[in-house]
Amino acid sequence: SAVISQKPSRDICQRGTSLTIQCQVDSQVTMMFWYRQQPGQSLTLIATANQGSEATYESGFVIDKFPISRPNLTFSTLTVSNMSPEDSSIYLCSVEDPLRTSYNEQFFGPGTRLTVL
Amino acid sequence: RKEVEQDPGPFNVPEGATVAFNCTYSNSASQSFFWYRQDCRKEPKLLMSVYSSGNEDGRFTAQLNRASQYISLLIRDSKLSDSATYLCAVVTDSWGKLQFGAGTQVVVTP
Repeated sequence: SAVISQKPSRDICQRGTSLTIQCQVDSQVTMMFWYRQQPGQSLTLIATANQGSEATYESGFVIDKFPISRPNLTFSTLTVSNMSPEDSSIYLCSVEDPLRTSYNEQFFGPGTRLTVL
Repeated sequence: RKEVEQDPGPFNVPEGATVAFNCTYSNSASQSFFWYRQDCRKEPKLLMSVYSSGNEDGRFTAQLNRASQYISLLIRDSKLSDSATYLCAVVTDSWGKLQFGAGTQVVVTP
């Protein structure tokens, strides 16, 4: 499976500020996904990011709040804008296995643990 | 009704025993199904893909019941290290978008 890294691994931020999370993959992948996992909850998909096109956002998530970049096939960023304490969560990127895309298997980065004060 | 539902547990399992739990899904058109394992404060790790014929990987067996729209995971000879939250995931569209259940917590006790 692909090796995925995320930066930062954790951060504590003040409300009203923004944080950009980076996701780097060691191989080229078509689809990258951004999820949020709030404390004690399961994963919720924020958006799907394809290289060369705008991200597709899920219901309840908007581009102004969570702008995403996908400049190439190995990298993506998610920005959490104008943060509030409700944004405190773990943010995870995932990719489909580049060698087994027909099975839709996704593999996750280690996550970014965000706390907003 | 949620798209993917799981019994949250916890399932308290004596070491060496067998535990099984299900995950129901609402979209009858779903084609791909997965079990992930998530340890506390870690990312989910893919445990098994669930094929239509069912599949087995060591002590773990996954089954798919399309008629009743659920998948199951069975763990035999439970180890202490099997303690984790098990998430089921269902592909809900042609882009491979995953919908996750809330997870089933398994606690294996000595």
